[in-house]
Amino acid sequence: QSVLTQPPSVSGAPGQRVTISCTGSSSNIGAGYDVHWYQQLPGTAPKLLIYGNNNRPSGVPDRFSASKSGTSASLAITGLQAEDEADFYCQSYDSSLSGSIWVFGGGTKLTVL
Amino acid sequence: QVQLQESGPGLVKPSQTLSLTCTVSGGSISSGSYYWSWIRQAAGKGLEWIGRIHTSGSTSNNPSLKSRVTISVDMSKNQFSLKLSSVTAADTAVYYCVAGYSYWYFDLWGRGTLVTVSP
Repeated sequence: QSVLTQPPSVSGAPGQRVTISCTGSSSNIGAGYDVHWYQQLPGTAPKLLIYGNNNRPSGVPDRFSASKSGTSASLAITGLQAEDEADFYCQSYDSSLSGSIWVFGGGTKLTVL
Repeated sequence: QVQLQESGPGLVKPSQTLSLTCTVSGGSISSGSYYWSWIRQAAGKGLEWIGRIHTSGSTSNNPSLKSRVTISVDMSKNQFSLKLSSVTAADTAVYYCVAGYSYWYFDLWGRGTLVTVSP
């Protein structure tokens, strides 16, 4: 059971727009901690896609964007391309009486139809 | 550009200690610029943060792994290491060594190494 909740899968046709949600709680996203996103292409390591809620590292296309509100965040991909097919993970920081840790969502598999 | 490479046994027996090393190239681990972490991923599962270290000496580990985790740095070899004691089949996963320039997220990932816990 992941601390952050993501839908297991989403799909879209080439050229379409898809969104992936990430739901947290008052001890992580709702506490004001930033959300970051990673893309994991099949058989490879995750790669930082978005940091600080909506900032792209150098080389990441502007087709990828993200937002955060309250205890949730979302990743949007526009102009869907076949090479976007991957698993996507959100990540934040969680601080509670149990301690402080870096937490991930369970991942969302994007299928390009 | 900093690059990371994991190494270590691919098979560990139950109750033994898993030991992995991450070799850092393209930069000095002692520069203090990065936080060095270990993250794992069981087959078909999500990502789990194991712990991290900074060359200032500060460390933090995932409480869910209790006191089984030890992370250390060897500046002379430009490496950092993970030891996970009393392993069970539940510790079977791909283990990634990761560098974070920011305190809050993970910039650079190694390719990962599969560790299987089996008799």
